[in-house]
Amino acid sequence: AQSVTQPDIHITVSEGASLELRCNYSYGATPYLFWYVQSPGQGLQLLLKYFSGDTLVQGIKGFEAEFKRSQSSFNLRKPSVHWSDAAEYFCAAWGNNAGNMLTFGGGTRLMVKP
Amino acid sequence: DTAVSQTPKYLVTQMGNDKSIKCEQNLGHDTMYWYKQDSKKFLKIMFSYNNKELIINETVPNRFSPKSPDKAHLNLHINSLELGDSAVYFCASSQEARSATGELFFGEGSRLTVL
Repeated sequence: AQSVTQPDIHITVSEGASLELRCNYSYGATPYLFWYVQSPGQGLQLLLKYFSGDTLVQGIKGFEAEFKRSQSSFNLRKPSVHWSDAAEYFCAAWGNNAGNMLTFGGGTRLMVKP
Repeated sequence: DTAVSQTPKYLVTQMGNDKSIKCEQNLGHDTMYWYKQDSKKFLKIMFSYNNKELIINETVPNRFSPKSPDKAHLNLHINSLELGDSAVYFCASSQEARSATGELFFGEGSRLTVL
């Protein structure tokens, strides 16, 4: 069955430190991949997406993600975290053989220490 | 102008009641969705409509009934509410289903609390 896994439920980083959030997927073929961010009490906002081509994709708010086929991963990174980045981050995948559904990982809550 | 708007944002009600959540999108998208986010933040799709036609109906109790009067609106009606229905319900939309790429636009969510 298709699935998306985010191994880290919580991550705490200091402001200004670098960040990497992990995401692994299990699909028959390479799906389209996404990262969404959910700030407290808000809906989900798209940070970035990967369909094909360059495996390093740039997103909004200084985020980037790298697709690695060999590892079935799509990790999210940011070189310097700001306090306003504290939020819930969701990795998601979309595959045509999965009923045209966007499947989400369980989310990673990012906390930022001053 | 809010792209995907849901009402109400908060809903507190008693077990056994019937309630509705409304969703409207002004993006001109053909496909709309309802997702449920539980207390552990897990997001699961419930329904998807394309041009008023139901295309995804995940394992959801019959007490939940979506209704799409036109492609810009997708409402969710819940009968005989139960404690386990307490969650945040998100509406979302995307462009046409057949060439869809999974890029969804979400509303701000409707937090339902069943007492």
